[in-house]
Amino acid sequence: EVQLLESGGGLVQPGGSLRLSCAASGFTFSSYAMSWVRQAPGKGLEWVSAISGSGGSTYYADSVKGRFTISRDNSKNTLYLQMNSLRAEDTAVYYCAKPPPYGDFNWYFDLWGRGTLVTVSS
Amino acid sequence: EIVLTQSPGTLSLSPGERATLSCRASQSVSSSYLAWYQQKPGQAPRLLIYGASSRATGIPDRFSGSGSGTDFTLTISRLEPEDFAVYYCQQYGSSPTTFGQGTKVEIK
Repeated sequence: EVQLLESGGGLVQPGGSLRLSCAASGFTFSSYAMSWVRQAPGKGLEWVSAISGSGGSTYYADSVKGRFTISRDNSKNTLYLQMNSLRAEDTAVYYCAKPPPYGDFNWYFDLWGRGTLVTVSS
Repeated sequence: EIVLTQSPGTLSLSPGERATLSCRASQSVSSSYLAWYQQKPGQAPRLLIYGASSRATGIPDRFSGSGSGTDFTLTISRLEPEDFAVYYCQQYGSSPTTFGQGTKVEIK
């Protein structure tokens, strides 16, 4: 079955760090650019970051640039998001998302995980 | 970056009625690279439409997309009970990709 499964969310204090993981299965993970998209409680969707299939190219939204780092381990079929210097406004459900076979880092998404909730609060 | 504005914010309709949702872009969307998603409470978004008018795999033909340039429309020809949800548009013609703020389709 083709699926994405996020983990690693939780409660963290402002200024703290958290690492999210996304385990992929059912497709050739290394062939796809992958993204993180977040959704604050009761709000819309916001693209956060993307990484090429090889991991050699990374892209970030201005709101997280310099604080978040996206990476991947193709041998483990896993995508990561290292989040540092967290702020209250980073509170959201974080989804990993995959484009279709011909898509690149800036594309639509045909597969989403269930998401993991990150809460930044003291 | 391209700002997408969806209207109306909420659409109150009855099952069997036609729903028309609008997505307007702050500048022209390259190659009609616009997608639509459906999201139900507690669930991830589900791809409905890509390329402004192409239905994703498994999406019923009561869902249709149209438009180009800066104005796009998602139409649900006859609402089924399972169609009541929030709908988002997304442009992927310019980097960074951006989403609209959503339109909620609720039962009247």
